[in-house]
Amino acid sequence: EVQLVQSGAEVKKPGESLKISCKGSGYSFTRYWIGWVRQMPGKGLEWMGIIYPGDSDTRYSPSFRGQVTISADRSISTAYLQWSSLRASDTAMYYCVRQGAPDTMSWFDPWGQGTLVTVSS
Amino acid sequence: DIVMTQSPDSLAVSLGERATINCKSSQSVLYNSNNKNYLAWYQQKPGQSPKLLIYWASTRESGVPDRFSGSGSGTDFTLTISSLQAEDVAVYYCQQYYSTPHTFGQGTKLEIK
Repeated sequence: EVQLVQSGAEVKKPGESLKISCKGSGYSFTRYWIGWVRQMPGKGLEWMGIIYPGDSDTRYSPSFRGQVTISADRSISTAYLQWSSLRASDTAMYYCVRQGAPDTMSWFDPWGQGTLVTVSS
Repeated sequence: DIVMTQSPDSLAVSLGERATINCKSSQSVLYNSNNKNYLAWYQQKPGQSPKLLIYWASTRESGVPDRFSGSGSGTDFTLTISSLQAEDVAVYYCQQYYSTPHTFGQGTKLEIK
């Protein structure tokens, strides 16, 4: 069974750094683009960026470029989303997603369970 | 960026009736070399992660009930639920994967009338 298991909820203060994770299993990790989607409280889905673990090719939405860093560790089949300095506006649910087809960009399937990040002083 | 616009923002339909959600892209998501529309639909129930329903605009994901169907081409697409069931209450999103960023529509909230 293909699964994406994300790290647990986080509560942070503004200005702090954070790295959340997403571990893939049940498939060839290096052959599928894996990405991140933000959902702010009560709002819709926002595509943040994706990485191809096979060669670390990474694409960001202009809205998120420079604000976050997406990375992957092939040796442990894990992708990451990282902030160097959190803001209150980063408070959201973050979903890890895998592309539905190998070696190409496509639809998202499956989705991780989500990681809730709360940033508050 | 390709802008995806869904209509309506919310919709109330009686049980057993048809529900129709529209999605319009600001530019064509039809790739001429393979004649495929790079458009997917997702369902998000309250408190849950989104779930893939349809890809290539009209291909139903395995396990998705056949009352869900997708249609359209180019810039105009439709998700149809032929006979609404109580478990279909959710927010529905379209997404283009033609070019990055793979943008989503704003979502359509479907409720029971």
